[in-house]
Amino acid sequence: EAGVTQSPTHLIKTRGQQATLRCSPISGHTSVYWYQQALGLGLQFLLWYDEGEERNRGNFPPRFSGRQFPNYSSELNVNALELEDSALYLCASSLDRAISGANVLTFGAGSRLTVL
Amino acid sequence: RKEVEQDPGPFNVPEGATVAFNCTYSNSASQSFFWYRQDCRKEPKLLMSVYSSGNEDGRFTAQLNRASQYISLLIRDSKLSDSATYLCVVNGRAAGNKLTFGGGTRVLVKP
Repeated sequence: EAGVTQSPTHLIKTRGQQATLRCSPISGHTSVYWYQQALGLGLQFLLWYDEGEERNRGNFPPRFSGRQFPNYSSELNVNALELEDSALYLCASSLDRAISGANVLTFGAGSRLTVL
Repeated sequence: RKEVEQDPGPFNVPEGATVAFNCTYSNSASQSFFWYRQDCRKEPKLLMSVYSSGNEDGRFTAQLNRASQYISLLIRDSKLSDSATYLCVVNGRAAGNKLTFGGGTRVLVKP
């Protein structure tokens, strides 16, 4: 079974540009989560999508946005890039939306964004 | 106060020794708890879920203390391959299903 796949693996942009990151969840998983992990810092929750809708977002400015497609894949867009956006962006998927609250996440390998 | 707090370490552990560390959480309505493991420059991977009654998986034991709002992880007979960052994860339905990660505890097992 294919795991969570993310693309691109690495992305280099300059300040002010836009970045688009993509994620394909495990087959059958309907929830997709995005996290940011800056160097030396912990994982910061960005966005949660389920069944095509944004269900929750973390404490990030509106220039971080995304969407989930009918096939449950997801896209994260970062507009007006700033130097501090340089980080590893991790996507994770889970099977159970929140029936029991026991969401086990499977992560992709991440997309490393460097803003120059 | 952070929602989920961990001692960043590093915990330097001799091979074969036992190491234990905690994670505290601030939301008393939290319902699900997990430990993930993250190797350097890799993605986090689920190590184990934490159940109210405590649970064990081989050399790893997880405990939940709701009264004091912390979870713990104990590693027995440490192996060199146990060197990693251990992330505590907490989920509360009141938090809109947002799983909150702690900053991680780094463990270094040395020969």
